[in-house]
Amino acid sequence: GESVGLHLPTLSVQEGDNSIINCAYSNSASDYFIWYKQESGKGPQFIIDIRSNMDKRQGQRVTVLLNKTVKHLSLQIAATQPGDSAVYFCAENRGSFQKLVFGTGTRLLVSP
Amino acid sequence: GAGVSQSPSNKVTEKGKDVELRCDPISGHTALYWYRQSLGQGLEFLIYFQGNSAPDKSGLPSDRFSAERTGGSVSTLTIQRTQQEDSAVYLCASSLNGQQETQYFGPGTRLLVL
Repeated sequence: GESVGLHLPTLSVQEGDNSIINCAYSNSASDYFIWYKQESGKGPQFIIDIRSNMDKRQGQRVTVLLNKTVKHLSLQIAATQPGDSAVYFCAENRGSFQKLVFGTGTRLLVSP
Repeated sequence: GAGVSQSPSNKVTEKGKDVELRCDPISGHTALYWYRQSLGQGLEFLIYFQGNSAPDKSGLPSDRFSAERTGGSVSTLTIQRTQQEDSAVYLCASSLNGQQETQYFGPGTRLLVL
């Protein structure tokens, strides 16, 4: 069925490394994507979003890449810090539907 | 307030009891969403309110679940005759206009049904 999913459930990196978190989606009608960060015991926190008319968007230390050909989304975090340790979710929004469809999440562990 | 707030932060109840969860969205946001997050899982859409329009209830798992939004602001999610499988974190989010835009989440209510 249609879904948004993540390739790696857990990603462990060293402080200072660059991190890449991947996400696959199956609905070609999806045209808006969001990455959220969720720390333990907290609600998801917006990181960055991208619309389907773009293939790259940059924020502070983060970059989202969208490849519509293969229905793939990635989040790149530069110079990863221990404070980046969290679960990262990608979510998609499909056209006129307002609800977000979330993947199951990737846990990022950053070692000092 | 500056962000979405939810209460209570934690709720423990006995199977068969009713519970009410409250959400205060960001001031000025017309759209409000409820999601459920089971342990170690992603977020599951429950219901969406936009202005005065009829809510989108397509995600509610059973008729034991209901929600209302009074005065276009505060929302209450009610679960009747709670079951153990209702145990989860219930998250509320709001957005400015209900279009394709960022949804801002509250801290959630952690519900445990014994």
